[in-house]
Amino acid sequence: AQKVTQAQTEISVVEKEDVTLDCVYETRDTTYYLFWYKQPPSGELVFLIRRNSFDEQNEISGRYSWNFQKSTSSFNFTITASQVVDSAVYFCALRTQGAQKLVFGQGTRLTINP
Amino acid sequence: DAGVIQSPRHEVTEMGQEVTLRCKPISGHNSLFWYRQTMMRGLELLIYFNNNVPIDDSGMPEDRFSAKMPNASFSTLKIQPSEPRDSAVYFCASSLPRTAPYGYTFGSGTRLTVV
Repeated sequence: AQKVTQAQTEISVVEKEDVTLDCVYETRDTTYYLFWYKQPPSGELVFLIRRNSFDEQNEISGRYSWNFQKSTSSFNFTITASQVVDSAVYFCALRTQGAQKLVFGQGTRLTINP
Repeated sequence: DAGVIQSPRHEVTEMGQEVTLRCKPISGHNSLFWYRQTMMRGLELLIYFNNNVPIDDSGMPEDRFSAKMPNASFSTLKIQPSEPRDSAVYFCASSLPRTAPYGYTFGSGTRLTVV
């Protein structure tokens, strides 16, 4: 069975601080895909990144970076120099090859205070 | 590309009434998914279709829920009769063919309130 755990239910930081959102996943499959989605206060789900299990290279996109470590089954997300607009609920998700369903973690509510 | 279109955006109904949620997937996407989001259970998959055929409906909570996809461009999720515990945000999503390692594109959701 597949499972995604986001242990941090809520995080609150002051603007310009760096913040890391943790994601731990479980699967027996050797080929799988990991995702991060953002859900701003308006409610839609916005795709941020996809990573496949064969690519452990970390990725940076502007202030966002992702650290994928198969050894610890983790796919953590860091926002550098956070901004108020980063306030949202962030979901980590897992999809295994051959399966189509995305399994989501419970989400982390991130609040960036001015 | 208009994205995944859901209607209505908000629905308030009385307990016992029938509710129909609608979804138009992205053209060319042949997989369609219905998710429900609640505070208690988070995002949970209700059902998904490939090429208009229901593949996995194990997440449908009970017989009061039904979903159809009569063609590649339209799907409905129906609740009859509705109950207050059905209050949630219902998301529709679509994706490219099943062999592709893609995520989904989500619609904006329908916020359902059953009073």
